[in-house]
Amino acid sequence: RKEVEQDPGPFNVPEGATVAFNCTYSNSASQSFFWYRQDCRKEPKLLMSVYSSGNEDGRFTAQLNRASQYISLLIRDSKLSDSATYLCVVRNTDKLIFGTGTRLQVFP
Amino acid sequence: GAVVSQHPSRVICKSGTSVKIECRSLDFQATTMFWYRQFPKKSLMLMATSNEGSKATYEQGVEKDKFLINHASLTLSTLTVTSAHPEDSSFYICSARDRISAYEQYFGPGTRLTVT
Repeated sequence: RKEVEQDPGPFNVPEGATVAFNCTYSNSASQSFFWYRQDCRKEPKLLMSVYSSGNEDGRFTAQLNRASQYISLLIRDSKLSDSATYLCVVRNTDKLIFGTGTRLQVFP
Repeated sequence: GAVVSQHPSRVICKSGTSVKIECRSLDFQATTMFWYRQFPKKSLMLMATSNEGSKATYEQGVEKDKFLINHASLTLSTLTVTSAHPEDSSFYICSARDRISAYEQYFGPGTRLTVT
């Protein structure tokens, strides 16, 4: 079983749509959680950290459920520029463990 | 944010040759740097953790004699792929952790290696 699992997608949505990504992790001792964004042939870039209380950054909302070992990302009012691969990332000690990513394609 | 550079950004080499990739932290000191590999449509996989002044720690299944890592200063780590084969063709990405904040990792732009 992979340490971090995501639905690979792709998710094809129209502009303005709301889309949700899910992620599960297997190590209950994981300490920190993140969503990264990766554009084609580029390095991953931190989108936001994820906290149990839930956190929001503009159109993006992230949620962590430690009991279920489940992480989510909600994107509202999708823009064309949101098209990318979204990586669920978990920190165990000093290592970042990456999910395979969920591809999002926003169309006009 | 902090800047990490990688050089070269793209390299093509012949089977059997060695290739060196540099990772530099440009505006901060990094006691720890990480090397990842990413195959097409796959996740980033951690290869090794590099600590300044000491030997790198390799992940299970990564050959330390094939992927030589040197972290000689607080701003530079190098990965040398020795005797490269076509299956080593991949996207290699480094990240660096700030010595001061010791929490966030900053990623380099990656190096695309093609072995012919």
